[in-house]
Formats: sequence, structure tokens, C-alpha cells
Amino acid sequence: KAGVTQTPRYLIKTRGQQVTLSCSPISGHRSVSWYQQTPGQGLQFLFEYFSETQRNKGNFPGRFSGRQFSNSRSEMNVSTLELGDSALYLCASSKGTYSYNEQFFGPGTRLTVL
Amino acid sequence: AQSVTQPDIHITVSEGASLELRCNYSYGATPYLFWYVQSPGQGLQLLLKYFSGDTLVQGIKGFEAEFKRSQSSFNLRKPSVHWSDAAEYFCAVGSQTTSGTYKYIFGTGTRLKVLA
Repeated sequence: KAGVTQTPRYLIKTRGQQVTLSCSPISGHRSVSWYQQTPGQGLQFLFEYFSETQRNKGNFPGRFSGRQFSNSRSEMNVSTLELGDSALYLCASSKGTYSYNEQFFGPGTRLTVL
Repeated sequence: AQSVTQPDIHITVSEGASLELRCNYSYGATPYLFWYVQSPGQGLQLLLKYFSGDTLVQGIKGFEAEFKRSQSSFNLRKPSVHWSDAAEYFCAVGSQTTSGTYKYIFGTGTRLKVLA
């Protein structure tokens, strides 16, 4: 069974630009969660999508958004990039039912904002 | 508010020595607790999890963790560390949201260095 895949793996952007990251969950998983990982703040929850609907949201500004498609693939978008957005963005998928389901993480997308 | 604290940012042990990584949590109800490991350039891999029942849980790669409610702790242990265990370790708590789903709060991580 293929794991969670994220593309691209590395990205360099400049301040003010926007970026879109992609995540393909494990087959059969309907929930996709996104996390931002930085040395200073650690792992912070961005949002979770389930069946094309945002189900949970962390404390990030509106510049961070996401969506999920009918095949459960998810994208997250960051507009008007700031230097502080440089981070490893991790995607995790799970079955997503209303009980705890183990999350499986992808390798991440390393975003550098110059 | 729920929180997870990993008091040790860095730990160095010799290969073959025992290991204990500390994790303390703050959560009103019975928590779901996890330990993840992250190797450089990789995502997170689940080592073990605690939901209920036996407070000593066994995980992959020879790791175990003990849930102590009275101390709000969930420390990770391994009796004999291997050089391949060098990585960053994250403790996490799963808390139920008002919608009935779960969100995960991670500690800041402990970076393990193993000396040959």
C-alpha cells in the first residue's frame, strides 16, 4: 500500500508570492490534516479536511487555506508569503471516522521564503 | 487548554545504554497519548499509542512507554539504544473537539544523539 505522498518536496519562494502544496493520502483514507513544523514553534496543526469539508482548524491567519477533492487528495495554499512561513509542511492521512484513527504522515514539503 | 511538554530538548546516550524520554501533558479527560519518531528529512512515524487499559504499552523498534495518570506523564523508554535510534522524538496528545473528531497537540520534540 503506497504511503502518503507530498509534492513538491522542496520549494523556494519570495515574500509576497503564493504557494500551493499537494498531498495524496493513503488509499481509502478520507481525512487529511496539515501541520506546520518550525524549529521555534514545533509542530502546529493547520487544518483537517474530511470528505471535501474542513472539519477542524488551527490558529493560523486566513492566508493559509486548503481544500480537498473528491478523491481525498488535498492542497494547501499560502498567499502573500512572509519570511516566517518558511517551514516543513507535513500532511497526515487517516480513515477519519468519529473515533481515534492513527495518522500516517508524509515526508513533508520544505518551503523556504526569501 | 491542552498542552504537551517535553522538557529535554537534546539527549545524548551511548550505544547500548538505556534511554528515557520525558513527556508531560495537560488534559482534562483521559487522553490519547502517542510517541512519534522523525528521522532527518522524513515524516513522522508512530512508535506507540495509549488509549486505555494497561498503562505500560509496547511499541515498534523495542520502545515502550508508561502512562502515569498521577504524574500526567507518558515517558518513552528503551533498554538498549542502537545507533539507528538517533532521531527526533515527539510526544503528542489527541484531544476530542466539539465536533467529536480529534486533533493532535505535539510536544516540541527531543533530539536524540547516540554515541558509538
